[in-house]
Order: sequence, then C-alpha cells, then structure tokens
Amino acid sequence: GDSVTQMEGPVTLSEEAFLTINCTYTATGYPSLFWYVQYPGEGLQLLLKATKADDKGSNKGFEATYRKETTSFHLEKGSVQVSDSAVYFCALRRDDKIIFGKGTRLHILP
Amino acid sequence: NAGVTQTPKFRILKIGQSMTLQCTQDMNHNYMYWYRQDPGMGLKLIYYSVGAGITDKGEVPNGYNVSRSTTEDFPLRLELAAPSQTSVYFCASRPGSANTEAFFGQGTRLTVV
Repeated sequence: GDSVTQMEGPVTLSEEAFLTINCTYTATGYPSLFWYVQYPGEGLQLLLKATKADDKGSNKGFEATYRKETTSFHLEKGSVQVSDSAVYFCALRRDDKIIFGKGTRLHILP
Repeated sequence: NAGVTQTPKFRILKIGQSMTLQCTQDMNHNYMYWYRQDPGMGLKLIYYSVGAGITDKGEVPNGYNVSRSTTEDFPLRLELAAPSQTSVYFCASRPGSANTEAFFGQGTRLTVV
C-alpha cells in the first residue's frame, strides 16, 4: 500500500543553519505531496504542497520539489530560526486518503 | 471562520466506558477524516468520509465507529474504551476538489485508565 518514510528525529540545529528533512514515498500513480507542521499543543497546518512531478512548493522560506524519479519530496530551508522548532510531517494524497509519515521533530538552538 | 472544531480537548475514560469525540466544520467540505497520533508513530487514519451518508475504514478502525449524517459533523465513537486507545485524536476536512490540502482541528487528548 501507499506509504511515506521520513527521516528520524529529533533534529537539532543552530539558528541560521541549513535544514534538510528527507521524505520518500511509495504510491502507485501520481499522488499529491504535502508538508505539514505541528507546533506544540496544536493541530497540523499545511506548510507547502506539490501536485505533479517537478513542481516546487514553497512557503515561509521552506521549499520542497516533487521528484518522481526518486519518489522524494525533501524539505529544505536555507536559514532556520528558533520559531521553526516544531514537528514536520510529510504526507501524500492519492484518491480519497491522506497518508502521513511518522514526523520529524526539529529543535533550533539560539 | 471557525474551521474544524473538536470537543472535548481533554478526556479521561475508565476501561470499558464509552464516549463520542465531536468534530464539526463550517467550510462545507465534503471530505472528513479521523486520525490518531501516538508518540513517534505519526498519524494513523481511523475512518474517513467522502460525503454525508458515506464512511469508510482507514488503517486502524478496530474499536471505533463513525457516522456522517450531515456535511458538517463527523463524530467518532468509542464503545468499550481500552488503554490502547490512549492517544491524541485529530479530525480533518478538505474540499472535494483535486489537489486540496486538509484542515485540522486542535485535537482531543484521550487517556484511558
């Protein structure tokens, strides 16, 4: 069945460091891909999305490119801030279901 | 605009008790979902609905029931609570059109003792 695999956390970085969180997926067809972010005590909120191969989603300095050939959707940010500390979830949607990865906890140190 | 509203926010249940987790959305979305979030395990899909009167099982439906009598409401029922159902439960909704994201509620933290 469809699945999403993302890198284990927690990830700890210093402020202004470069961030990469890896995400790969298994699915038939052409799923839509998403990154969601969850701040402490809150629900998930959409960070960015891509709906077809080679699309790049971007928001708040974060970017991810839909790579069909490597079935990947890695999240990147050039310079992280303390306020980026949160849990990040990679997800795919195919047909009616949305499938999530396990989440990666990110800690940014000042 | 309230979005997706879940009640209660917190609940402690005794083993064998029953309860209903409420979820309502005011965005006229066709699709609604229930997930549970366990530490280190991400979100697992319990049930989902593509419209009023239509529901289907997700990855972990055992021990739960749902109904969808209106577009707005999608309650999740636990009939005989077990410690394994201790989790944080999230309801989500999205429009029926393609390539749209889901909108999440704030979650219900349930503890079964």
